[in-house]
Amino acid sequence: DQQVKQNSPSLSVQEGRISILNCDYTNSMFDYFLWYKKYPAEGPTFLISISSIKDKNEDGRFTVFLNKSAKHLSLHIVPSQPGDSAVYFCAASAQGGSEKLVFGKGTKLTVNP
Amino acid sequence: GAGVSQTPSNKVTEKGKYVELRCDPISGHTALYWYRQSLGQGPEFLIYFQGTGAADDSGLPNDRFFAVRPEGSVSTLKIQRTERGDSAVYLCASSIGTQETQYFGPGTRLLVL
Repeated sequence: DQQVKQNSPSLSVQEGRISILNCDYTNSMFDYFLWYKKYPAEGPTFLISISSIKDKNEDGRFTVFLNKSAKHLSLHIVPSQPGDSAVYFCAASAQGGSEKLVFGKGTKLTVNP
Repeated sequence: GAGVSQTPSNKVTEKGKYVELRCDPISGHTALYWYRQSLGQGPEFLIYFQGTGAADDSGLPNDRFFAVRPEGSVSTLKIQRTERGDSAVYLCASSIGTQETQYFGPGTRLLVL
């Protein structure tokens, strides 16, 4: 039973355009959400997070949007760069902090030059 | 400025053997986590330590898996009587506290033949 779902296994965009990665969750107790980026043969690297008290958090080219009523979050990358090509994991936790993260299966983003 | 390190980076063993996987967290991080990532899946939580004690071991799949952190720093994940289904990447993460961002190591790729 997947509590965090990333329904798109892959996404391909052109350099300079916007990348939108989506994530849905089912557990209403989740109150903290994170995005990690993973390159092959490396561990996941933290990208950006958002608490359930917010609906948007921005860090440079990366913005995460949270829609609690829809139990949906998305990561926007603009403009996309070839170096952004990686697998992106959505993760969630309960009780206000990043204990015991529950991950989605990931979306492989390819940014074409 | 070392990150989380894990040794070995790769481990090949035979079914039924015992293995130990080591994690060195970021200096000063009190919380340490183990996850397992199977092919095509996101990381799955195994166990979390706060200091020397296992605060949550609900993700350990069965009693063949055990982890220790005797001095509150380095942790060892131990797997007895390995099975082919144990083949996966074992990821370790640490955070400065229990409600802070988790930083991952590169993982140990375990292959059970």
